[in-house]
Amino acid sequence: DQQVKQNSPSLSVQEGRISILNCDYTNSMFDYFLWYKKYPAEGPTFLISISSIKDKNEDGRFTVFLNKSAKHLSLHIVPSQPGDSAVYFCAASRDGSSNTGKLIFGQGTTLQVKP
Amino acid sequence: DAGVIQSPRHEVTEMGQEVTLRCKPISGHNSLFWYRQTMMRGLELLIYFNNNVPIDDSGMPEDRFSAKMPNASFSTLKIQPSEPRDSAVYFCASRLSDRTDTQYFGPGTRLTVL
Repeated sequence: DQQVKQNSPSLSVQEGRISILNCDYTNSMFDYFLWYKKYPAEGPTFLISISSIKDKNEDGRFTVFLNKSAKHLSLHIVPSQPGDSAVYFCAASRDGSSNTGKLIFGQGTTLQVKP
Repeated sequence: DAGVIQSPRHEVTEMGQEVTLRCKPISGHNSLFWYRQTMMRGLELLIYFNNNVPIDDSGMPEDRFSAKMPNASFSTLKIQPSEPRDSAVYFCASRLSDRTDTQYFGPGTRLTVL
């Protein structure tokens, strides 16, 4: 049972446009969500996160939106740059897991930003 | 900060051989996680430690897998005997404390078992 799903394996966007990456989850106990970016031959790097008490968190070109009723979150990148081309992972943690740290990851979405 | 350090970066071995992967977490971090990434299963948690103590090893696939953390600056993941289906990229990650969910990943070890 995959609790965190990224249904789009890939996304292609033109440079300067908006990239929207989506993530769905099934466990209503999740209370913290993170996005990681991964380049080839490197480990995932933390990008941005959001607590379930918020519906939006912004950091520069990156904004994460959370819709708890729909169990859906999205990552917006505006404007997209060729250097943003990478695999993006959505991750979630359960209520109380701040003491355990267990993250559940989605399958990832490969973003390609074309110059 | 040097970040999470993993060694080796690449490992090629033959079926039946013992494999040991190593990880040095970020200094001062008190939680350490081992993940495996495959095309089929994505990024899955194998085991994690808090203050050098294994907390949850439910993700360890079989008894062939074992992990240790003898001190705060070193951990190993051992596979004995290795099988071709163990071929994957293995990541180590560390976390500052139990007050944050953010984990910092190492570059990974690409394991190929022939």
